[in-house]
Amino acid sequence: EADIYQTPRYLVIGTGKKITLECSQTMGHDKMYWYQQDPGMELHLIHYSYGVNSTEKGDLSSESTVSRIRTEHFPLTLESARPSHTSQYLCASSVPSGRGENEQFFGPGTRLTVL
Amino acid sequence: GQSLEQPSEVTAVEGAIVQINCTYQTSGFYGLSWYQQHDGGAPTFLSYNALDGLEETGRFSSFLSRSDSYGYLLLQELQMKDSASYFCAVRGGGSNYQLIWGAGTKLIIKP
Repeated sequence: EADIYQTPRYLVIGTGKKITLECSQTMGHDKMYWYQQDPGMELHLIHYSYGVNSTEKGDLSSESTVSRIRTEHFPLTLESARPSHTSQYLCASSVPSGRGENEQFFGPGTRLTVL
Repeated sequence: GQSLEQPSEVTAVEGAIVQINCTYQTSGFYGLSWYQQHDGGAPTFLSYNALDGLEETGRFSSFLSRSDSYGYLLLQELQMKDSASYFCAVRGGGSNYQLIWGAGTKLIIKP
């Protein structure tokens, strides 16, 4: 059973606000990911991390930033939210070996609406 | 560019068998995975193929042909709870060796 948590589950905010989406996992996984997914669409990788103090941008251009100060915690921050950021944000982690990045465990997601 | 193609929607009858195809075009190949996502939920891992052939996990099987850049997910003895979207994902080369996702296939099951 995967243990990966995201808060908040739902968030409605106004344009220009700064927000942080939280993600934590208790599995000790080194690799963590943030995806953006619009309804009925594919997942787009926006950030990933291979471990503490390691963060990389994904393929989808994003105005967000991430940090990885502790293995279990991978928060995503939007400095100034805009309506174009309205989407679902999914956090995931994977084991360091074997299937590696191919088998990812997902949190429940944060559904963000920017007015 | 890198891309995956899968049908947008498939309809089947409860108790039947359904196959969801996935073709991919990626620079490099390090495995094909399948995920299930119910409406409003998060993706959950179903299966993974690194080598050619069939992998079976209960009612679900997944097949890969690397020479054809093709794979499929086979669901047997369909149940209403299998109604969901199914995503194929390939770990390709490119700039970061991360998963590239298909747009998903919505499986509709009729009684």
